[in-house]
Amino acid sequence: GAGVSQSPSNKVTEKGKDVELRCDPISGHTALYWYRQSLGQGLEFLIYFQGNSAPDKSGLPSDRFSAERTGGSVSTLTIQRTQQEDSAVYLCASSFGTILREQYFGPGTRLTVT
Amino acid sequence: GQQVMQIPQYQHVQEGEDFTTYCNSSTTLSNIQWYKQRPGGHPVFLIQLVKSGEVKKQKRLTFQFGEAKKNSSLHITATQTTDVGTYFCAGNGGSQGNLIFGKGTKLSVKP
Repeated sequence: GAGVSQSPSNKVTEKGKDVELRCDPISGHTALYWYRQSLGQGLEFLIYFQGNSAPDKSGLPSDRFSAERTGGSVSTLTIQRTQQEDSAVYLCASSFGTILREQYFGPGTRLTVT
Repeated sequence: GQQVMQIPQYQHVQEGEDFTTYCNSSTTLSNIQWYKQRPGGHPVFLIQLVKSGEVKKQKRLTFQFGEAKKNSSLHITATQTTDVGTYFCAGNGGSQGNLIFGKGTKLSVKP
């Protein structure tokens, strides 16, 4: 079946502009996660959605970052007034359930802020 | 906050040699997961450990979860070039839904 998809695959933007990154999770998966991975680094947790519960936003690095998940499916990560340090690969993952379930990752969106 | 430390950061081995990466948490974990990320790819789930002292094997890979559920290891026997990639551990402290990932161990294998 279809895996997690993300769009765009690459995004180059100018400093100060807003960007939207999209994630389509696996159908039926109730949990959705966003991570950030800088070059050669580990995965930095950003935000987590589970069903209809309030999202866990504890990993968002600043108020320029926000995310929403519409209808319990597609999610959009928005970065406002982008900075060069926002350049990274943004990975989305979904799982069927919560903490004891394996996460399926999308291919990521490579964001470059010039 | 909860931290998951992973060592070593890099490991270079000759094909056929063994490889081990270690994961340590500052707090007791309810579970630990291991992922592999090939160069240019995205993380792919390998296995999950839940029970204290649990040991699981997948062909040449052996995963262990410590008795205190604060550490874990991944051991690869007789590495092959296909084992190249970064291996991440990820743990959950039980009270939150998100996993805390270690920084990963990047394995390179010289043929």
